[in-house]
Amino acid sequence: NAGVTQTPKFRILKIGQSMTLQCTQDMNHNYMYWYRQDPGMGLKLIYYSVGAGITDKGEVPNGYNVSRSTTEDFPLRLELAAPSQTSVYFCASSDRVQNTGELFFGEGSRLTVL
Amino acid sequence: AQSVTQLDSHVSVSEGTPVLLRCNYSSSYSPSLFWYVQHPNKGLQLLLKYTSAATLVKGINGFEAEFKKSETSFHLTKPSAHMSDAAEYFCVVSDLAGRRALTFGSGTRLQVQP
Repeated sequence: NAGVTQTPKFRILKIGQSMTLQCTQDMNHNYMYWYRQDPGMGLKLIYYSVGAGITDKGEVPNGYNVSRSTTEDFPLRLELAAPSQTSVYFCASSDRVQNTGELFFGEGSRLTVL
Repeated sequence: AQSVTQLDSHVSVSEGTPVLLRCNYSSSYSPSLFWYVQHPNKGLQLLLKYTSAATLVKGINGFEAEFKKSETSFHLTKPSAHMSDAAEYFCVVSDLAGRRALTFGSGTRLQVQP
């Protein structure tokens, strides 16, 4: 049972480059999220999705874009990488039907922008 | 609006002694509260959750937490620390009335001394 899978696990970007962090889940969860974790901080919500075709901004959306064409996939795109986007990114999903609020997390993607 | 305050950024205990990690919350709704644990270079794992059932919640690995509405607290405890408990712990409140996203505390790093 894979759960939430994120790729890549590590990436180094130059300022101004673009990239996409991939996230897929096999639990048929409606809700999916992208968080970023900076050193010594809790997680901050970047974007979330309540179902295929529906996305919305979280607390820190600037510099990012998302799409949700299928229930399984929720990629996060960085268009013009900046040093402030150096962080660890976590994708997560949750089950709307169970409605407990519990999130299932991927193992994270560590991004460095130089 | 909702928020979480973890009162200690670092806690150090000796192996075999009790653990107390403190958390206060603020929420406009009847909250769901969680403790997540993050081991180094890993994703987050659910430790325990409170969802308006019993106020004393038992989780994995001997941890438990008590929901105290009058004190708006949700402190995490364990009677006897183990070396494997060394990790980062996050207190989290869930927005069940809306997007079901989580609001994270800033984390408490637990150090366990031999």
